[in-house]
Amino acid sequence: DTEVTQTPKHLVMGMTNKKSLKCEQHMGHRAMYWYKQKAKKPPELMFVYSYEKLSINESVPSRFSPECPNSSLLNLHLHALQPEDSALYLCASSQLMITTFGSGTRLTVV
Amino acid sequence: QKEVEQNSGPLSVPEGAIASLNCTYSDRGSQSFFWYRQYSGKSPELIMFIYSNGDKEDGRFTAQLNKASQYVSLLIRDSQPSDSATYLCAVPISGGYNKLIFGAGTRLAVHP
Repeated sequence: DTEVTQTPKHLVMGMTNKKSLKCEQHMGHRAMYWYKQKAKKPPELMFVYSYEKLSINESVPSRFSPECPNSSLLNLHLHALQPEDSALYLCASSQLMITTFGSGTRLTVV
Repeated sequence: QKEVEQNSGPLSVPEGAIASLNCTYSDRGSQSFFWYRQYSGKSPELIMFIYSNGDKEDGRFTAQLNKASQYVSLLIRDSQPSDSATYLCAVPISGGYNKLIFGAGTRLAVHP
């Protein structure tokens, strides 16, 4: 299995909603990431988990809350988002310098 | 601030031609370099990586690295309309985690 699976593929949420994005990989990778990509821009790193511990938080607002329940799963909990948070959210995992991206969740905040 | 620079394009080439995509980086300590292809509305897909100076070939793709000039390029031979996408150059930041810094991406359009 060489895939990173993300659910849902699309999500529309109101500014008062709470939702979660989910990511799963079964490649045995011990580093997992959340990236955010706005339209016509490159991906930007949000969080890095290494061996299930949060290693990097790129000064992301607290309305985004990551969680790594085990070595295969990565969640991103969303609460009180703003319309400007609408973007493609990409999960990734890496081993030996090779980063593999999931198909992403297209998030729209209304 | 470590930077990765790419010409955003669009780069338009006729079908069958060679497309040349360029990338420069600011961190002289960078050791590895990655090219991702991203179709509109899709996620980035790794197509090439290179660690050593010189050329690395994989099918129609060739990556070229010149560490002295801090320059990495991607050549696509016999370009096809299906190659039309945004190509992202990515460089990991050192520090134990594979944190990728991406260039802005070059949009390639291959016309029949």
